[in-house]
Amino acid sequence: ETGVTQSPTHLIKTRGQQVTLRCSSQSGHNTVSWYQQALGQGPQFIFQYYREEENGRGNFPPRFSGLQFPNYSSELNVNALELDDSALYLCASSRLTGADNEQFFGPGTRLTVL
Amino acid sequence: DAKTTQPPSMDCAEGRAANLPCNHSTISGNEYVYWYRQIHSQGPQYIIHGLKNNETNEMASLIITEDRKSSTLILPHATLRDTAVYYCIVRVSYNTDKLIFGTGTRLQVFP
Repeated sequence: ETGVTQSPTHLIKTRGQQVTLRCSSQSGHNTVSWYQQALGQGPQFIFQYYREEENGRGNFPPRFSGLQFPNYSSELNVNALELDDSALYLCASSRLTGADNEQFFGPGTRLTVL
Repeated sequence: DAKTTQPPSMDCAEGRAANLPCNHSTISGNEYVYWYRQIHSQGPQYIIHGLKNNETNEMASLIITEDRKSSTLILPHATLRDTAVYYCIVRVSYNTDKLIFGTGTRLQVFP
C-alpha cells in the first residue's frame, strides 16, 4: 500500500509568483485535503476535494485554488504569492465515508517566499 | 478556532507512561475525538480516535470521560521516538472531514 506523497519537498519563490504543489493520495482513498502550517502553529485547513469537486473550504482567499484528478491525486495552486504564504503545505487523503475515518498525511512541501 | 484546549508542553521519562490531557467541553453528541502527533517537520500521524468508549490500539489508549468533556491520551511506555507535538482534535463536520488543529502539546521524552 503506497502512502501519501507530495512534491516537491522544498520550493523557493519570490513575491508575486505563482506556485503549484502536488499530492498523490493513498491507494483506495477518494478525498484529498490541503493544510497550511506556519512555523510554530498547528496546520490550518485550506480546502478539501472529493470526486474532483471542492467539498469545503477554510478561511483562505481565492488565490488559493486546487484540482483533483480522476486518479484522486491533487494540486494546490497559489497565485500572487505573499511573504506570509511561507509555510509547510500538507496534504492528507481519506475515504469520505462518514464521521469515523482518519486522514493520512504526506510529508509536506516547504514553501519559502522571498 | 479549535474546540480543544491542551497544555503547551509536558515532559516524560523514557519507559514511563505519558498521559496527555485534553479539554473539549463544547463537544457535540456526534463528534469524535481524534489524536494526531507530529514529529519535527513531518506530516501529522494518526494515533487513535473515539466517540464515547475508551479505545486502545498498538500505539496508545484513549480515555474519554463519561460526560465527554475531556479525554486523556496514554502512551503506556514512552520512548525517545515519542517526542513530538500531540494534537487533540474534535471532528467538526460530517460532510467535510476537515480537522481543526490547535497548538497541541509538545511532549519531550527524556532518557
